[in-house]
Amino acid sequence: AQRVTQPEKLLSVFKGAPVELKCNYSYSGSPELFWYVQYSRQRLQLLLRHISRESIKGFTADLNKGETSFHLKKPFAQEEDSAMYYCALFTNAGKSTFGDGTTLTVKP
Amino acid sequence: DTGVSQDPRHKITKRGQNVTFRCDPISEHNRLYWYRQTLGQGPEFLTYFQNEAQLEKSRLLSDRFSAERPKGSFSTLEIQRTEQGDSAMYLCASSPQTRHGEQFFGPGTRLTVL
Repeated sequence: AQRVTQPEKLLSVFKGAPVELKCNYSYSGSPELFWYVQYSRQRLQLLLRHISRESIKGFTADLNKGETSFHLKKPFAQEEDSAMYYCALFTNAGKSTFGDGTTLTVKP
Repeated sequence: DTGVSQDPRHKITKRGQNVTFRCDPISEHNRLYWYRQTLGQGPEFLTYFQNEAQLEKSRLLSDRFSAERPKGSFSTLEIQRTEQGDSAMYLCASSPQTRHGEQFFGPGTRLTVL
């Protein structure tokens, strides 16, 4: 069975501070991991995919298979980053498992 | 095309009634997914279509739930004999033929069962 754990329900940082949203997973196969974000009153949208190793809106995430983690990081948080963040694992059969999300608040 | 749309946005029903929700995916997307989300939790996978074929279905989906995508375009999710525990946000998403994780979500249908 696959599982995604986001240990922090709430995370609060000051503007300009670094931020790290934790995600741990368990899956016996080769995982495809993603971060999704939901801003206030908006729909869920894709933020990052592990396969592309890209930086979106200053966020990066590295898949660490040894630690089974996919933490989301940003060196300098901005107020507009305040949102709900979900880590998600997808199988090649189309099934998915989402974490329960972390609400990030960036204070001015 | 303004993205994935869902109808209705809100539905209030009495326990025991049947409800049906509709999802219109992005037109060129051949993959469509249904999720259920309750307060404080992430989206929970229900089922997945590739074109008109339902290829995956969660074991959590009871016999009261059924989904269709008859012509490979829009999809419907029906819940029969609703229970209070069915109260949730029902999300639809679609994706192109690339990776399952690259999904575009609709706004959701919020179901309240009284």
